[in-house]
Amino acid sequence: EPEVTQTPSHQVTQMGQEVILRCVPISNHLYFYWYRQILGQKVEFLVSFYNNEISEKSEIFDDQFSVERPDGSNFTLKIRSTKLEDSAMYFCATRLAEVYEQYFGPGTRLTVT
Amino acid sequence: ELKVEQNPLFLSMQEGKNYTIYCNYSTTSDRLYWYRQDPGKSLESLFVLLSNGAVKQEGRLMASLDTKARLSTLHITAAVHDLSATYFCAVDGMDSNYQLIWGAGTKLIIKP
Repeated sequence: EPEVTQTPSHQVTQMGQEVILRCVPISNHLYFYWYRQILGQKVEFLVSFYNNEISEKSEIFDDQFSVERPDGSNFTLKIRSTKLEDSAMYFCATRLAEVYEQYFGPGTRLTVT
Repeated sequence: ELKVEQNPLFLSMQEGKNYTIYCNYSTTSDRLYWYRQDPGKSLESLFVLLSNGAVKQEGRLMASLDTKARLSTLHITAAVHDLSATYFCAVDGMDSNYQLIWGAGTKLIIKP
């Protein structure tokens, strides 16, 4: 069964460093999302992406964040200068154009020290 | 602002018992989603409810949606230990790109 994959599974970085989190969507899915979940808390929407551009973003998704689809398959989330409060689990999700259900990747645990 | 509220946030119950988790939301969305999360794991889709009166069942779990009351329920019948997990409901905004807005989650512990 096709699935969303994410790399790395765990990333440890120092405050102020740049990180790139990668997602490989299910092959015929056209809508992509990033969510984050701070440990023990609820899931929060960051950004949605369709047709090679951001379609919506939350207040969390400030100038330190960016997304792109560099090669037509990977979907990346970049944090330019990480802060301690960026420590969280980051989930990529994708869906088909005509189906509402989103399929989630296994997540990347980001630890900022 | 779209809000999604779940209750209870924590539930400890004995095997064999029945219980219901409630999810209230603040918009007129017709679409509600239930996900399961095991500790340290990803989000597994359980149910997608797409219209008023929708009811879906899978094993010991049954979900329903009342869009007029803006309420969804997840009912657990004769709970077993394997159902221990955190359950999230989520709603996608009517005017959005269908991004999900999440409840706080219900941590369910089922004791043998």
